[in-house]
Amino acid sequence: KQEVTQIPAALSVPEGENLVLNCSFTDSAIYNLQWFRQDPGKGLTSLLLIQSSQREQTSGRLNASLDKSSGRSTLYIAASQPGDSATYLCAVLNSSASKIIFGSGTRLSIRP
Amino acid sequence: KAGVTQTPRYLIKTRGQQVTLSCSPISGHRSVSWYQQTPGQGLQFLFEYFSETQRNKGNFPGRFSGRQFSNSRSEMNVSTLELGDSALYLCASSFVRQGNNNEQFFGPGTRLTVL
Repeated sequence: KQEVTQIPAALSVPEGENLVLNCSFTDSAIYNLQWFRQDPGKGLTSLLLIQSSQREQTSGRLNASLDKSSGRSTLYIAASQPGDSATYLCAVLNSSASKIIFGSGTRLSIRP
Repeated sequence: KAGVTQTPRYLIKTRGQQVTLSCSPISGHRSVSWYQQTPGQGLQFLFEYFSETQRNKGNFPGRFSGRQFSNSRSEMNVSTLELGDSALYLCASSFVRQGNNNEQFFGPGTRLTVL
């Protein structure tokens, strides 16, 4: 059974710092991994999608990596800004069950 | 291109009632998935519809049901509401089925409160 874990549950850093969010999964048989951002009380905004054959994806200040063999993905945020404050969720599309499994998220707070 | 829309955005019901939520996917998308989000359980998959057929189902009781119309719009119904059904209900659309390696796009959600 696929399990997705995100540690830490919460993170607070000063503005301008580079930071890394972690996501780990137990079953490496995945189609893809997707990172989302969620603002309080809102829906999810897709940030990056990494296919199982890819190692990383970049969009602006965001870079996501995928290491299937170790069951890990990281989301790197460069030069953090207060507007980056949100909950970040990773989700794995599990090839065996054709279901998307979400992690519990990391609540990120950027201090001005 | 318009995003995924969900109506209503907020809903208050009492125990025992039933509720219907609506989701309109991005134009051209044929797959609609529903999720329940609660502080305690996080995001949990309810079901997926593709071409008017339920293709996948999560571990929820039969009180939770859904359907999809020929224009890909989807509705989710919850009967005999319980206090624990209070949650943010999110729908996501994609061009093809979940198992086909494609990106999911989420709507803003419907906040359901059961009193």
